[in-house]
Amino acid sequence: EVQLVQSGAEVKKPGESLKISCKGSGYSFTSYWIGWVRQMPGKGLEWMGIIYPGDSDTRYSPSFQGQVTISADKSISTAYLQWSSLKASDTAMYYCARLETFEYYFDYWGQGTLVTVSS
Amino acid sequence: EIVLTQSPGTLSLSPGERATLSCRASQSVSSSYLAWYQQKPGQAPRLLIYGASSRATGIPDRFSGSGSGTDFTLTISRLEPEDFAVYYCQQYGSSSWTFGQGTKVEIK
Repeated sequence: EVQLVQSGAEVKKPGESLKISCKGSGYSFTSYWIGWVRQMPGKGLEWMGIIYPGDSDTRYSPSFQGQVTISADKSISTAYLQWSSLKASDTAMYYCARLETFEYYFDYWGQGTLVTVSS
Repeated sequence: EIVLTQSPGTLSLSPGERATLSCRASQSVSSSYLAWYQQKPGQAPRLLIYGASSRATGIPDRFSGSGSGTDFTLTISRLEPEDFAVYYCQQYGSSSWTFGQGTKVEIK
């Protein structure tokens, strides 16, 4: 069974750093891209970026380029999303999702990680 | 970047009625790269339709997708109580993915 399990909710202060994780299981982790999607409170879905764990090839949405860093450790089948200096506007639910190889849709999703940034 | 505009923003219908949701792209999208998702409160999105018209595994046949070019449609033939949710379209093009802003299907 394909599963993506994300790390737990985080409460941080503005200016702090954060790294959240997404662990894949039940499939070949290095053979599928993993994407990150933001959902701000009460809002829609926004694609942030995507990584291929096999070689760490990474693409970012222009809206998020330079704002976050996406990485992966294939030895432990885990992808990461990190911030070096959080802002209140980073408060959101963040989902990881596996990208289907040929038609580029997200077929499996993690449960989401809620990040709250507040002073 | 291709922008997806979904309409209506909210659809108020009764169980048993037919729901028709629209997704319009700012430029042509390959049908292979158009998907629909359902999201219920407190849950992650769930894949419904891929390739514009193919149902994902386990999705009931009351859900159907159609369209091409810049106009795509998700139809729910007869709404069940569990279908009241928010629906998003999503496209891929030029190493970039975008989602529509969503259509909420609510109980009338």
